Amino acid sequence: DAGITQSPRHKVTETGTPVTLRCHQTENHRYMYWYRQDPGHGLRLIHYSYGVKDTDKGEVSDGYSVSRSKTEDFLLTLESATSSQTSVYFCAISAWDRAGGANVLTFGAGSRLTVL
Amino acid sequence: SQKIEQNSEALNIQEGKTATLTCNYTNYSPAYLQWYRQDPGRGPVFLLLIRENEKEKRKERLKVTFDTTLKQSLFHITASQPADSATYLCALVITGTASKLTFGTGTRLQVTL
Repeated sequence: DAGITQSPRHKVTETGTPVTLRCHQTENHRYMYWYRQDPGHGLRLIHYSYGVKDTDKGEVSDGYSVSRSKTEDFLLTLESATSSQTSVYFCAISAWDRAGGANVLTFGAGSRLTVL
Repeated sequence: SQKIEQNSEALNIQEGKTATLTCNYTNYSPAYLQWYRQDPGRGPVFLLLIRENEKEKRKERLKVTFDTTLKQSLFHITASQPADSATYLCALVITGTASKLTFGTGTRLQVTL
């Protein structure tokens, strides 16, 4: 997955507990993204980052926070997990595609989170 | 409201035939449109992109068309193979949105022998 590592890959937790998902990249890309994927909804953007300490909200950011203290790491935190946050979470980086002449996304393998 | 629609029903076709997947959008003016492939348990993988001023792009057995009047993109796989079986996602990029992609829900393609 092009130098993108997500951890943990699977997690089961209980409602009300905090959860942090980590995305690590080895290619020094500026833009990083967190998406969630749910049946019937597709991929929805939670938060993204355009540099160290520079982050912004996506369309489904409520209940989530992010931090980026180093270029290579982008953390997604659920302060108090709820059952509605059961999902598969994908991290992505944006990189230039020479053939297409535009930025495209490369995704990690995903983190499956179950909130009981 | 803005919407991206892909056929939620699986597309079943026979090996060797051409698969055509549809992506329709409303209330967007995308700078370009991208297509991704996703296999079960994996993250999406970029395949092709097409700009708003382009009618058609090709890559090996793949072809994408983009009609901004109809607000539609078609994704074709010619001479389909069982290995092409996957879910295909279209995604729109709006100009000036920091490369934020908005995805459709995807269409699952099943190619049978």
